[in-house]
Amino acid sequence: GAGVSQSPSNKVTEKGKDVELRCDPISGHTALYWYRQSLGQGLEFLIYFQGNSAPDKSGLPSDRFSAERTGGSVSTLTIQRTQQEDSAVYLCASSRGGQTEKLFFGSGTQLSVL
Amino acid sequence: GQQVMQIPQYQHVQEGEDFTTYCNSSTTLSNIQWYKQRPGGHPVFLIQLVKSGEVKKQKRLTFQFGEAKKNSSLHITASQTTDVGTYFCAVPRYGQNFVFGPGTRLSVLP
Repeated sequence: GAGVSQSPSNKVTEKGKDVELRCDPISGHTALYWYRQSLGQGLEFLIYFQGNSAPDKSGLPSDRFSAERTGGSVSTLTIQRTQQEDSAVYLCASSRGGQTEKLFFGSGTQLSVL
Repeated sequence: GQQVMQIPQYQHVQEGEDFTTYCNSSTTLSNIQWYKQRPGGHPVFLIQLVKSGEVKKQKRLTFQFGEAKKNSSLHITASQTTDVGTYFCAVPRYGQNFVFGPGTRLSVLP
């Protein structure tokens, strides 16, 4: 596609519910990244994929968070039993892979846990 | 682990004033990237620096990579209201993951 697409753009959920956030990267981009950004804060790394595998899962904050990527394309970030502290903007980025490739970010999913 | 710091955290300038933000790493870097995030927007790539002592310019923005490749700076000449936003540096880690600095939030008063 023309850019990184994330859906939904906004998600309001109740505490304890599960949510799924979707990221559709730029076509041909092998690397895909998930970051979390709380209001007025920096970018917290969650996980990244090279192809369908995730070499680095160190940023997932708890076992309630999981992510997968299928077909080397679309990725889903799942948060189980959501808590209020999970409220944030979840940003997805993709790149061609490699340390010198720039990241292209999607517009993010604003998650609000009530 | 690798530490990436940015100073200042916030900067308020009058329109027309210069602005500089600094990014410092605890380890030697292979390269560094800079991103800008406008209020309510998502980060957008600005530039990448690779060589020791490298200086790159984009109109009123000047980017520099330190000689030791452990720090970098972004300088804006004659700030404009369009420069408002948060500027992040990003450095590679463990192969392909990127670590972002905490960012410098710039506000420009007209």
